[in-house]
Amino acid sequence: DTGVSQDPRHKITKRGQNVTFRCDPISEHNRLYWYRQTLGQGPEFLTYFQNEAQLEKSRLLSNRFSAERPKGSFSTLEIQRTEQGDSAMYLCASSPGTGIINEKLFFGSGTQLSVL
Amino acid sequence: QKEVEQNSGPLSVPEGAIASLNCTYSDRVSQSFFWYRQYSGKSPELIMSIYSNGDKEDGRFTAQLNKASQYVSLLIRDSQPSDSATYLCAVEGSGGYNKLIFGAGTRLAVHP
Repeated sequence: DTGVSQDPRHKITKRGQNVTFRCDPISEHNRLYWYRQTLGQGPEFLTYFQNEAQLEKSRLLSNRFSAERPKGSFSTLEIQRTEQGDSAMYLCASSPGTGIINEKLFFGSGTQLSVL
Repeated sequence: QKEVEQNSGPLSVPEGAIASLNCTYSDRVSQSFFWYRQYSGKSPELIMSIYSNGDKEDGRFTAQLNKASQYVSLLIRDSQPSDSATYLCAVEGSGGYNKLIFGAGTRLAVHP
């Protein structure tokens, strides 16, 4: 257990439905990242928060995806009008944000999304 | 061309042998490099980081970096069946906030 919690662990939904995932980072960590991983691929960067500010969003992310981190604590990732291509493991990671290089990212266990 | 490339494997080695995993990257300005291990159905865990040319050793693991050739490798000595996993190479992307660009991973199988 890395200390990064994600909920739910698994989500099955029908195409066209909206889904929301939650991530609770390690409490003193300023930086929070969302990644997506499909079978046989490495994690793909989606978005990054420094405290409550969303500082980067991947160009690959369609406008159906939105993420928030109110008050710089937990984060939510919402997918609207889900498509079968959204089926993947959604990983959250956090890091202290001290500004040093090689800062370690701590990954949560992920939310496995299946869109039927 | 992908930003980070790895041979998908599987790489099969006998127990006790040295496993050699390789990775190339395309962005010449990359400064930080990481190896993550991922067991099936689990999240990635960091096993090595390296940012200077040469070798870095930690227990049975040695990371090697050659920035001129844009090449990173991971050696696992005395491989154990418990090392069987997917090994992900990651490179820090631009921005300076530890955004990582991952390769697709190499699946390692250590057989008794």
